[in-house]
Amino acid sequence: DVKVTQSSRYLVKRTGEKVFLECVQDMDHENMFWYRQDPGLGLRLIYFSYDVKMKEKGDIPEGYSVSREKKERFSLILESASTNQTSMYLCASSLIGEGSFPYEQYFGPGTRLTVT
Amino acid sequence: AQSVSQHNHHVILSEAASLELGCNYSYGGTVNLFWYVQYPGQHLQLLLKYFSGDPLVKGIKGFEAEFIKSKFSFNLRKPSVQWSDTAEYFCAAPGSGYSTLTFGKGTMLLVSP
Repeated sequence: DVKVTQSSRYLVKRTGEKVFLECVQDMDHENMFWYRQDPGLGLRLIYFSYDVKMKEKGDIPEGYSVSREKKERFSLILESASTNQTSMYLCASSLIGEGSFPYEQYFGPGTRLTVT
Repeated sequence: AQSVSQHNHHVILSEAASLELGCNYSYGGTVNLFWYVQYPGQHLQLLLKYFSGDPLVKGIKGFEAEFIKSKFSFNLRKPSVQWSDTAEYFCAAPGSGYSTLTFGKGTMLLVSP
């Protein structure tokens, strides 16, 4: 079974703080993704990465950055947290190539971030 | 696909009622379609998927979905819902980025006992 873990289930931070959200997958997946989930808006892609040290902007990258130094780990960084970044953050991973189902993603449990 | 539209944001049903949740996607070439489910307090998990072949696909817990190419639709169905089906359901299709998915806004299903 694919396992995607996220460093925290709940996090409370103050406005202006730098925030790190960590995600680790244990199945050697090439692709990793960060989404935010808000009521009525569904999942919106923030950033994704298809290889170590590679990153691509998603639909809503403003105010975020990412880091992928190792294949299994993908970090989301809020350089200066703001209240409008209060949300549920989901990490996902996917495999490409033989044995994979194209585009199928596996999700972590999510981190509920509150910025006060 | 670059947009996914789910018809209903909230659905309330009684147990044993039939369910159909609508999903439409914009044409984008590759047709890989998914329904994901998020039960209260749990992580998002795959319900079923379609890549090719038989347009009627079956997933876990008695769910099925039908791909209708001419209508760009991938509707989710279940003949008889249970209280335990209370969850949020998301339809997804390939996005504009490499290996990405675009998700619909979700449908919250509440099944009353």
